[in-house]
Amino acid sequence: AQSVAQPEDQVNVAEGNPLTVKCTYSVSGNPYLFWYVQYPNRGLQFLLKYITGDNLVKGSYGFEAEFNKSQTSFHLKKPSALVSDSALYFCAVRELLKAAGNKLTFGGGTRVLVKP
Amino acid sequence: DARVTQTPRHKVTEMGQEVTMRCQPILGHNTVFWYRQTMMQGLELLAYFRNRAPLDDSGMPKDRFSAEMPDATLATLKIQPSEPRDSAVYFCASGLPPGRGNTEAFFGQGTRLTVV
Repeated sequence: AQSVAQPEDQVNVAEGNPLTVKCTYSVSGNPYLFWYVQYPNRGLQFLLKYITGDNLVKGSYGFEAEFNKSQTSFHLKKPSALVSDSALYFCAVRELLKAAGNKLTFGGGTRVLVKP
Repeated sequence: DARVTQTPRHKVTEMGQEVTMRCQPILGHNTVFWYRQTMMQGLELLAYFRNRAPLDDSGMPKDRFSAEMPDATLATLKIQPSEPRDSAVYFCASGLPPGRGNTEAFFGQGTRLTVV
């Protein structure tokens, strides 16, 4: 069974400092990995994805993520955080197994608070 | 601008009443997910459809919950009878299966359900 772990419930960072949100995953086959962001009272918005190819993927709003197969990690990063980045961030995985239904599994979420 | 549409956005109902939540997936998407979000449990996958057929509904309480796709443009999630512990935000998401172009799921704005 596939699973996703986000070890930090909350990350606090000062505006202008680098932001990292951690994610590790577990799948049987090859993973598709995603990051989503959720602002208060809103649905989840897609940020970026890793499918194949370059391990460093770039997404919306200046975010990027690095896929590390040996560590089964997909950490989200932003070089310089903004107050407006304060939100709930979710890591997710879909597994490339034809018979498995390819369901989308989310981590528990990490709340990011960027202070001025 | 293609989007997943969920109705109603908010629902307050009394315990024991039937609740029906509706979702219109993005045209052309053949996979539909239902998630429930609570503070305690985070994002839980309730059901997952492909081509209108349920592939995985193991996360859904079978005694009171049911999910269907009467046609390709409508997915429904019903709770009968509703209980206070069902109070949560219910999200619908749609997408394409991995391996067919876009692999990310697109989320609706959610239905905030309160059972009193």
